[in-house]
Amino acid sequence: QKEVEQNSGPLSVPEGAIASLNCTYSDRGSQSFFWYRQYSGKSPELIMSIYSNGDKEDGRFTAQLNKASQYVSLLIRDSQPSDSATYLCAVTPNQAGTALIFGKGTTLSVSS
Amino acid sequence: ETGVTQTPRHLVMGMTNKKSLKCEQHLGHNAMYWYKQSAKKPLELMFVYNFKEQTENNSVPSRFSPECPNSSHLFLHLHTLQPEDSALYLCASSHDWDVGQPQHFGDGTRLSIL
Repeated sequence: QKEVEQNSGPLSVPEGAIASLNCTYSDRGSQSFFWYRQYSGKSPELIMSIYSNGDKEDGRFTAQLNKASQYVSLLIRDSQPSDSATYLCAVTPNQAGTALIFGKGTTLSVSS
Repeated sequence: ETGVTQTPRHLVMGMTNKKSLKCEQHLGHNAMYWYKQSAKKPLELMFVYNFKEQTENNSVPSRFSPECPNSSHLFLHLHTLQPEDSALYLCASSHDWDVGQPQHFGDGTRLSIL
């Protein structure tokens, strides 16, 4: 059974701090990794994708991938109350098709 | 209209009813998906269609019946559902059925079974 694990949280950080969200996956051959943000009552929204080891930065967001350790993380710098949401980690296993496997998500709460 | 549109947004039905969920994407994508999202559980993939052909059925009970008449439209026909089927049903699309393609989601249909 291919799995994606996330700490459900809630992760609470003060406004302006760095929020660090972590995800581990079981399929060593996984090739594509995504972070989605889901506000309560809304659909998941793609915020980051990463395909190779290392860091990828986009504005206040940085995705980090370490395939040897089978983990992917998302850093949010200068956290804002509007970042409060559930963050879903999704992984494409090493097989044809784009059937993403999702983690349960980590709930982030940023207090002002 | 842009993105992925799902209707209805909310649906309450009895266990003996028959209803359908509709999804339409305006992104020019060729692959479409149905997911189920229950409280405290990961998103569960139900069905995948690529160029109107079903490529994956993730052991979904037959009381859920998908239909994909073209690459832009996807339906989920419901009949004789159970209370445990109450969940948020999400439709998604991607450019095609290839490794690494990100998926774009609709706002979902919140389904409640009485």
